[in-house]
Amino acid sequence: ETGVTQTPRHLVMGMTNKKSLKCEQHLGHNAMYWYKQSAKKPLELMFVYSLEERVENNSVPSRFSPECPNSSHLFLHLHTLQPEDSALYLCASSQEGLHTDTQYFGPGTRLTVL
Amino acid sequence: QKEVEQNSGPLSVPEGAIASLNCTYSDRGSQSFFWYRQYSGKSPELIMSIYSNGDKEDGRFTAQLNKASQYVSLLIRDSQPSDSATYLCAVTRTGNQFYFGTGTSLTVIP
Repeated sequence: ETGVTQTPRHLVMGMTNKKSLKCEQHLGHNAMYWYKQSAKKPLELMFVYSLEERVENNSVPSRFSPECPNSSHLFLHLHTLQPEDSALYLCASSQEGLHTDTQYFGPGTRLTVL
Repeated sequence: QKEVEQNSGPLSVPEGAIASLNCTYSDRGSQSFFWYRQYSGKSPELIMSIYSNGDKEDGRFTAQLNKASQYVSLLIRDSQPSDSATYLCAVTRTGNQFYFGTGTSLTVIP
């Protein structure tokens, strides 16, 4: 595997379910990100991890819970979601998490909340 | 006020023409500027980055930055049908501040 991978690619869940999104980067990067992409809206940065420490949490509801066990893996745990949480969730990584870094995106998980 | 503003388009240009994509940003403290391309159903990929005022050229692509006017643009010369995509402008600054625009949809007509 190369680049940034995400699983699953598609997920349908009910509002009472608990699920997790997984991201893995094979680039040797030290920073990882979760973004939400909704139709007609800009990418919204949700969480930033640098060297496995969370450095940013942009007022994301607590029903989204990130986990970064090491610099190559990032999870987004989901529970009690709302229909408005349906979106494309993109994971990205960058070398150091600096503002000058290029971010490399995974293919995304298309989430539908019923 | 939005952090990053782009004309959503759609922008249509004939094959071989120059496509001009524009982006404005609200925070004068913004430091780094990126153009990403996103094909339908795919994830964003970097086209160009620019950090200082002026022009930066890479093949058929030229990024232009004017910090006084808070304006960044992307020119695509000799546009090809394969350039048809949504182009996202991203603006970043220290403190993990990363902002994207809504994107401009470009269609290159053969």
